[in-house]
Amino acid sequence: AQSVTQPDIHITVSEGASLELRCNYSYGATPYLFWYVQSPGQGLQLLLKYFSGDTLVQGIKGFEAEFKRSQSSFNLRKPSVHWSDAAEYFCAVGSPNFGNEKLTFGTGTRLTIIP
Amino acid sequence: DAGVIQSPRHEVTEMGQEVTLRCKPISGHDYLFWYRQTMMRGLELLIYFNNNVPIDDSGMPEDRFSAKMPNASFSTLKIQPSEPRDSAVYFCASSRDRVGEQYFGPGTRLTVT
Repeated sequence: AQSVTQPDIHITVSEGASLELRCNYSYGATPYLFWYVQSPGQGLQLLLKYFSGDTLVQGIKGFEAEFKRSQSSFNLRKPSVHWSDAAEYFCAVGSPNFGNEKLTFGTGTRLTIIP
Repeated sequence: DAGVIQSPRHEVTEMGQEVTLRCKPISGHDYLFWYRQTMMRGLELLIYFNNNVPIDDSGMPEDRFSAKMPNASFSTLKIQPSEPRDSAVYFCASSRDRVGEQYFGPGTRLTVT
């Protein structure tokens, strides 16, 4: 069965600093990988996704993620965070058999931005 | 487009009562998903539909939960009878196809006392 681990429950970053959120997955083949963001009281919004090809994926709001098969990781990065980036971030894994139909989500990482 | 619409946004009910959550997906989307989010279990897929047909309901916790999609623009998730452990935020999402982005609604926060 597929699974996702987000080892950091809560991260605090200064505004303007760089950010990296960790995600590790377990899946027998090349998975479909996603990062979603959830602002307080809102639903989830897709930041970026990886299906195949270039392992460095660009997303919305200046985010990027890199798929590293050898490390089973799909970490999310941003070079300079803004106060509006404060939210909860979820990594998710799907399979080529099901596309995005049966996503497994990580437990999330809450991001706090300090001035 | 108005996005995925869910109603009500908040629901407070007493144990044993029937609860019905509603969802209107984005027009033209063939897939509809129901999720539950709790602190303990995170975000879980309950059931999803393709072209109004339930495809996988293996995430539905028990027989007290049921979901229907009578047409392409409306779906319901019903809990009967409700229990305090059903308290959670329930999200509906839709996507155009099996690899397209899932668009989430704002969620329904359910509290069962």
